[in-house]
Formats: sequence, C-alpha cells, structure tokens
Amino acid sequence: GAVVSQHPSRVICKSGTSVKIECRSLDFQATTMFWYRQFPKKSLMLMATSNEGSKATYEQGVEKDKFLINHASLTLSTLTVTSAHPEDSSFYICSAPGRLNTEAFFGQGTRLTVV
Amino acid sequence: RKEVEQDPGPFNVPEGATVAFNCTYSNSASQSFFWYRQDCRKEPKLLMSVYSSGNEDGRFTAQLNRASQYISLLIRDSKLSDSATYLCVLLSGGYNKLIFGAGTRLAVHP
Repeated sequence: GAVVSQHPSRVICKSGTSVKIECRSLDFQATTMFWYRQFPKKSLMLMATSNEGSKATYEQGVEKDKFLINHASLTLSTLTVTSAHPEDSSFYICSAPGRLNTEAFFGQGTRLTVV
Repeated sequence: RKEVEQDPGPFNVPEGATVAFNCTYSNSASQSFFWYRQDCRKEPKLLMSVYSSGNEDGRFTAQLNRASQYISLLIRDSKLSDSATYLCVLLSGGYNKLIFGAGTRLAVHP
C-alpha cells in the first residue's frame, strides 16, 4: 500500500526556536495532505490542509503564522512550528488521502517536546 | 456539540470476552464512516470501513444506524493484541477530511 514517511519522529527543542516537520509520499503523488495534532488522551484535531501549488487552508483557531505549511512538490509537505512554546508540545501527524478519497495514509507522527 | 463522540473508556476485559463500542455523530449528512485503531504513540491504522448494511471482518463487526446517528464496533473473542485505542472516524462532506473521535481505550488482560 501507499506509504507516507514523516520525519523526524521525535524532537526536543528550546522555547523560541522553530521546528520543521516533513511529510513525504513515497510511492504516489499527493496534491493534498492533512496535518493533525493530538494531545495526550485526546482526538486527532485537524490543523490544516496542505495543497500543492497553493496556500494551505487552516482550521478555525489555528494560527497560520505560527504553523507554516509549505507544499513544495507533489511528494513533500512541511509543517514548521515557529517560535515554539511548551504548550506546542504535542504529537503532530500528517496524512494523505488515497486514490478513492475514502482512505488515508498516515505518516508515523512526530512527537514534539518544547522545553 | 462535537462532531464525533465516543466513550473514552477504558474498557478492561479478559481474553475471550466480547466487547462493543458505540460512537455518535452530529452531522446527518456524513456519508462515510470508519473505525481506526491507534496504539500508544503510533499513527492510526484503518481497522475497517462501516457500511450501511453492516459488515464483518473476522472477529470484528461494524454497524451503522443512520436514523440514530451512531456507529458500533463489536469485537468477539478478544485477544491481548486487541489492546489499543479505537477511533471512530467520519469523512467530512466534500472536503475529504477525516474527523476523528477522541477514541475508546480497550485493555484486554489475561
């Protein structure tokens, strides 16, 4: 099946620094990718939809200047957490819709800890 | 009201037990439903789609009740390896976005 690779799987950074998370579709082209955030014991919350060749669409309440999304090519989307704070510590995960648009291929997730 | 609501559990059951989870959704226009499984600190994995007529995959049975807007998952003959969080998921309209419930935690013990 299709594979989505997310990197890094774990990162610890200092407050005020920026962290970039990459999501790659390895054997298919993804014009759309979704970015989710999951706090402990909570559901995955959609943050934004990344669109190749155009601006990302952010969900209500998500700061676009803080969570920069770039969909540079048909196989790569990046999420940059800018000026990270401890409250940004969370599990971030990307997914790409499958051909049927009723399935999703998830990256392995990135556990971000801001200290 | 949340779009998808689930009982967070945990459900603690012995091996071999039958356990059922329910999930309710608020948007009556939702068309596609799924159950995903998520292990601790891992990405979610598709367990099964949920069809209007109900569907079965081995020990797992999923059902959809559109009139009452709920979905169920039945697990028979529970195994230790079934311990995980089970996420109720629906597809959001024409946007192909998956909307996740908070998940129901299952712990199967010997």
